[in-house]
Amino acid sequence: KAGVTQTPRYLIKTRGQQVTLSCSPISGHRSVSWYQQTPGQGLQFLFEYFSETQRNKGNFPGRFSGRQFSNSRSEMNVSTLELGDSALYLCASSVSGGTHYEQYFGPGTRLTVT
Amino acid sequence: QKEVEQNSGPLSVPEGAIASLNCTYSDRGSQSFFWYRQYSGKSPELIMFIYSNGDKEDGRFTAQLNKASQYVSLLIRDSQPSDSATYLCAVNEDSNYQLIWGAGTKLIIKP
Repeated sequence: KAGVTQTPRYLIKTRGQQVTLSCSPISGHRSVSWYQQTPGQGLQFLFEYFSETQRNKGNFPGRFSGRQFSNSRSEMNVSTLELGDSALYLCASSVSGGTHYEQYFGPGTRLTVT
Repeated sequence: QKEVEQNSGPLSVPEGAIASLNCTYSDRGSQSFFWYRQYSGKSPELIMFIYSNGDKEDGRFTAQLNKASQYVSLLIRDSQPSDSATYLCAVNEDSNYQLIWGAGTKLIIKP
């Protein structure tokens, strides 16, 4: 079974631009979570989607948004990029996001904002 | 504020010895407990999960859960240099569709 895929793997953007990242979950997985990881802050939860609905959201500004499609693929968007948005963005998929909530990560998208 | 705490390390262990990694959590309602391994520059990889009190073994890895004391641990037997990585502990309480993450413990296995 194919794992979680994320595209693109690397991105370089300029301050003020916007970016869209894509995540395809493991086949059969309907829950997708997004995280930001930086050396100083560790893994920070952005949001979680299940069946096209956002069920939970972390403490990030409204510049960070996401969506999920009917095939469970998910995208996240960051508008008006800031230097501090430079990070590894990870998506993780899970069967349903219930109690037994094993999440499997994709390889990540490394975003650099200059 | 729900928290998961881990010693940041680094924890240095000789090759062939047992590495013991610990994690404590604040929310007594937590139901599921996970250990992830993350190599530098890579994404986290799920290596163990445990849902019930006691021990769960998988190869060289053993996860131990004590809900009364609110801690979960990971033992790595016969440690190898390839086990050198950061180990992340994560906890889920089922009601908010979110894992709470520790900051990770850096493990170094010395040949």
